[in-house]
Amino acid sequence: AQSVTQLDSQVPVFEEAPVELRCNYSSSVSVYLFWYVQYPNQGLQLLLKYLSGSTLVKGINGFEAEFNKSQTSFHLRKPSVHISDTAEYFCAVSDRDNYGQNFVFGPGTRLSVLP
Amino acid sequence: EAGVTQFPSHSVIEKGQTVTLRCDPISGHDNLYWYRRVMGKEIKFLLHFVKESKQDESGMPNNRFLAERTGGTYSTLKVQPAELEDSGVYFCASSHGHDRGGEQYFGPGTRLTVT
Repeated sequence: AQSVTQLDSQVPVFEEAPVELRCNYSSSVSVYLFWYVQYPNQGLQLLLKYLSGSTLVKGINGFEAEFNKSQTSFHLRKPSVHISDTAEYFCAVSDRDNYGQNFVFGPGTRLSVLP
Repeated sequence: EAGVTQFPSHSVIEKGQTVTLRCDPISGHDNLYWYRRVMGKEIKFLLHFVKESKQDESGMPNNRFLAERTGGTYSTLKVQPAELEDSGVYFCASSHGHDRGGEQYFGPGTRLTVT
């Protein structure tokens, strides 16, 4: 079984400031890692994913995340945020060895970018 | 390419009534998933179809929930009779059948309110 923790339920940040959204996971098996974003009144959209290879993953809209196996973390970062980044962000894992396995999501972090 | 669509976007029903949610996945996607987010908590897996077959329904909360995917195309999720604790946002997602670790494409969700 897997579980995902997102320690920060809400993160306010000023425009053009850097931001880091934290994600830690627990799993007895190898996992794939994902970050999804939900903008107001929209569905979840994939930001980036880690499957294998380089532990630094770049996604859409200038976001990146780094997989740290020893710390079981997959923190999301952006060097300079925009008002349009205001949304809810979800970290998720899936079982690497179980084909088509469902996602296990964290509780979400609501990012508010202030002018 | 059309994305995952869900109908209705909102539904308000009284306790004891029946509601049917519909999901149209991306054409050609064999995998279809239902998830639910209750009261701002984490998004939780309900069940997974591969074509018309239920691959995993371990997340279904109880027998008041019935999911079908006739012909392996769209899916319905029926709640009968609805209870107050069923309120939440129901998400549908689909993915390609041969894409291990691949992205799940999410619909906008159906917000269900049981009064």
